[in-house]
Amino acid sequence: AQKITQTQPGMFVQEKEAVTLDCTYDTSDPSYGLFWYKQPSSGEMIFLIYQGSYDQQNATEGRYSLNFQKARKSANLVISASQLGDSAMYFCAMRGLTGGGNKLTFGTGTQLKVEL
Amino acid sequence: DAGVIQSPRHEVTEMGQEVTLRCKPISGHDYLFWYRQTMMRGLELLIYFNNNVPIDDSGMPEDRFSAKMPNASFSTLKIQPSEPRDSAVYFCASSPDTSSYEQYFGPGTRLTVT
Repeated sequence: AQKITQTQPGMFVQEKEAVTLDCTYDTSDPSYGLFWYKQPSSGEMIFLIYQGSYDQQNATEGRYSLNFQKARKSANLVISASQLGDSAMYFCAMRGLTGGGNKLTFGTGTQLKVEL
Repeated sequence: DAGVIQSPRHEVTEMGQEVTLRCKPISGHDYLFWYRQTMMRGLELLIYFNNNVPIDDSGMPEDRFSAKMPNASFSTLKIQPSEPRDSAVYFCASSPDTSSYEQYFGPGTRLTVT
């Protein structure tokens, strides 16, 4: 079984600042993938970034980077140079890569508000 | 590509009525997922298909819920009879195969059962 914990129900950040959204996970699967999705107020789920458990380097996608600390079982999302359009709900998710299946387990999300 | 298509986008129905939600996955994607999102329970996987075959339906809440995938380009999620506690946003998602990273989500169907 997999479990994702996001302890920050809400976060505020000023425009152009960096922000870190926390995510910790628990799994018995030796190989797994970690994901971040963005859900703006319009409701759609937008894939942001992926990190494999055996990837040597932290994933980056434009202004998004994933601070992966395997020993601590954490996969924090860092958004640099925040923009007003970054205001949204952010979900951390994971799935096991062994044992078959393609199920994503989601955390409860963090509501990010970017302020002027 | 048009992305994952869901219909209807909004559905309001009375308790006891049958509700059918529809999904068209991205062409070529072998996996299709149905999720439910509520404030209380967050995002939950209900069922997923691989090559039109249901693989894991352990998340389907009860017998009132059923899902089908008659072909590679169409899936339905049916609730019969519907209850107010079924009110939620239902997402359909698809992905190419197990080696792919992300699942591509549709816009969701907002269901309200009165």
